[in-house]
Amino acid sequence: GAGVSQSPSNKVTEKGKDVELRCDPISGHTALYWYRQSLGQGLEFLIYFQGNSAPDKSGLPSDRFSAERTGGSVSTLTIQRTQQEDSAVYLCASSLDVGELFFGEGSRLTVL
Amino acid sequence: GENVEQHPSTLSVQEGDSAVIKCTYSDSASNYFPWYKQELGKGPQLIIDIRSNVGEKKDQRIAVTLNKTAKHFSLHITETQPEDSAVYFCAASKPGGSYIPTFGRGTSLIVHP
Repeated sequence: GAGVSQSPSNKVTEKGKDVELRCDPISGHTALYWYRQSLGQGLEFLIYFQGNSAPDKSGLPSDRFSAERTGGSVSTLTIQRTQQEDSAVYLCASSLDVGELFFGEGSRLTVL
Repeated sequence: GENVEQHPSTLSVQEGDSAVIKCTYSDSASNYFPWYKQELGKGPQLIIDIRSNVGEKKDQRIAVTLNKTAKHFSLHITETQPEDSAVYFCAASKPGGSYIPTFGRGTSLIVHP
């Protein structure tokens, strides 16, 4: 079956531009997570969606970051006015309630 | 919030040797401890997990131990093979309104043939 799909797999942008990263979770998974992985760093939590509940945005590093999840399925992470320190791999994961997270392969963002 | 420390950051072993990765956590309410393996260019994948009602769990060449009193847990890989080379992440989470695992910083395991 299909796993978590992320697009684009690679994105190079100029400082100051906006970017959108997309995540298609596994069908039926109610929970969706965004994490950021910088070079040599661990997985930094960004935002969590669970069903129809209000998202947990406690990990977003600044107000330039936002995310939405439409119809309880596809999610989009938006970074406005990108900075060089935003360069990282952005990982999306989904899960059935509590338990194993299924990760996508990530979107590698490079800000020049 | 929860804080997970992971050591070592890099581990180099010879094929056939054992490898041990250790993690500590700070929140005594945490009760679920998964381990993920991340191969180059891919997303992390769950390899084993343990809940706080058991002290040890084994699956073929991998095992995880948990010491709730000391708040630490470890991943043990025996008879390592070159395909075990990857980055390994531990994580901790607790029950509540949301379930958000806190991850360690990862261990890069290199198995030399």
